[in-house]
Amino acid sequence: EIVMTQSPATLSVSPGERATLSCRASQSVSSNLAWYQQKPGQAPRLLIYGASTRATGIPARFSGSGSGTEFTLTISSLQSEDFAVYYCQQYNNWPRKALTFGGGTKVEIK
Amino acid sequence: QLQLQESGPGLVKPSETLSLTCTVSGGSISSSSYYWGWIRQPPGKGLEWIGSIYYSGSTYYNPSLKSRVTISVDTSKNQFSLKLSSVTAADTAVYYCASVNIENWFDPWGQGTLVTVSS
Repeated sequence: EIVMTQSPATLSVSPGERATLSCRASQSVSSNLAWYQQKPGQAPRLLIYGASTRATGIPARFSGSGSGTEFTLTISSLQSEDFAVYYCQQYNNWPRKALTFGGGTKVEIK
Repeated sequence: QLQLQESGPGLVKPSETLSLTCTVSGGSISSSSYYWGWIRQPPGKGLEWIGSIYYSGSTYYNPSLKSRVTISVDTSKNQFSLKLSSVTAADTAVYYCASVNIENWFDPWGQGTLVTVSS
């Protein structure tokens, strides 16, 4: 199983500031990585796939980068609606390897 | 626009079988562009992929749950279903169904349903 590790667990950011979230894979997943946003009481929402491609309707302030084992989600200027938990998910070598998620990063208001 | 909705009992007794159904609207479950998946999230914790199914009936399960999981599809009803046997309190979670892109990211998700395992 590919283990996904996200850091930090909690990120305190002021509105309007930049947020940088990290996701590390225990082995290379190429660019087979997605990011999701989850707000309290809601289902996760796809933000990014292919490590850097924004999903339909996702604002340009969200950007993804990285390949191999190191990935970053950047929110360029945090809006009030961006405070949430963010998860990464790898889908490399499926179905030979299980789909796995990181433990999440909570972005909270500073 | 695809929409998914989970349904099933919110309370299951230990050692029994959890059964949930996901109804797909706004598109055909027989589309060759998607798999259909189940993901769960214990209260206050992260996400765990349970398994996925293709409209043809091909199934793919998380090895950690494989011995207890069965996912099936009913194309006539545009539904797919999850059965998890021999449940314990550790299976208490919000269970989500989702459309799985052919390259294996999840979009969109159903709203989720909380299943509590308790006597």
